Amino acid sequence: DVKVTQSSRYLVKRTGEKVFLECVQDMDHENMFWYRQDPGLGLRLIYFSYDVKMKEKGDIPEGYSVSREKKERFSLILESASTNQTSMYLCASSLRPHYEQYFGPGTRLTVT
Amino acid sequence: EDKVVQSPLSLVVHEGDTVTLNCSYEVTNFRSLLWYKQEKKAPTFLFMLTSSGIEKKSGRLSSILDKKELFSILNITATQTGDSAIYLCAVLPINTGTASKLTFGTGTRLQVTL
Repeated sequence: DVKVTQSSRYLVKRTGEKVFLECVQDMDHENMFWYRQDPGLGLRLIYFSYDVKMKEKGDIPEGYSVSREKKERFSLILESASTNQTSMYLCASSLRPHYEQYFGPGTRLTVT
Repeated sequence: EDKVVQSPLSLVVHEGDTVTLNCSYEVTNFRSLLWYKQEKKAPTFLFMLTSSGIEKKSGRLSSILDKKELFSILNITATQTGDSAIYLCAVLPINTGTASKLTFGTGTRLQVTL
């Protein structure tokens, strides 16, 4: 079974703090993705990575950056958290570009 | 811009009922359509459909794709309370470069009552 894990289930941070969200997959998948999920807006893609050290912007990259130093790990960074980044963050991975994506359990981030 | 619309937005049924969830899409260079079930946490993968008219089935769940009319349906027969969840539809375009990006609909919230 594919396993995608995320470092925290719940996180509370203050405005202006730097926030790191980590995601690890154990199935040697090439592609990894970060989404945020908000009521009424569905899942929106923030960034994705198709190989180590490679990244591409998704639909809403503003205010975020990512890092992929190892194949199994993909980090999402909020350089200076703001209240409008309060959301559920979901990481996903897929074996190949056209394959289904598997999701981690999500991190519910609250920025106060 | 790719677009996925799901209907209804929410649905309440009694245990044992059959439900049909709808997903229509507009996407450039369509490759596949995917269905996910999301309970309290991560979306879990249900089906990937690539060809028109071929039903995919898993237990009481089934799904079919119509590439001419640009929609898919997800059927759940003999619903159970454990089927209560948000059902997400997503489309996958043909990979033109690096990784393929899923575009999701906003989901259908299904509640199954006793």
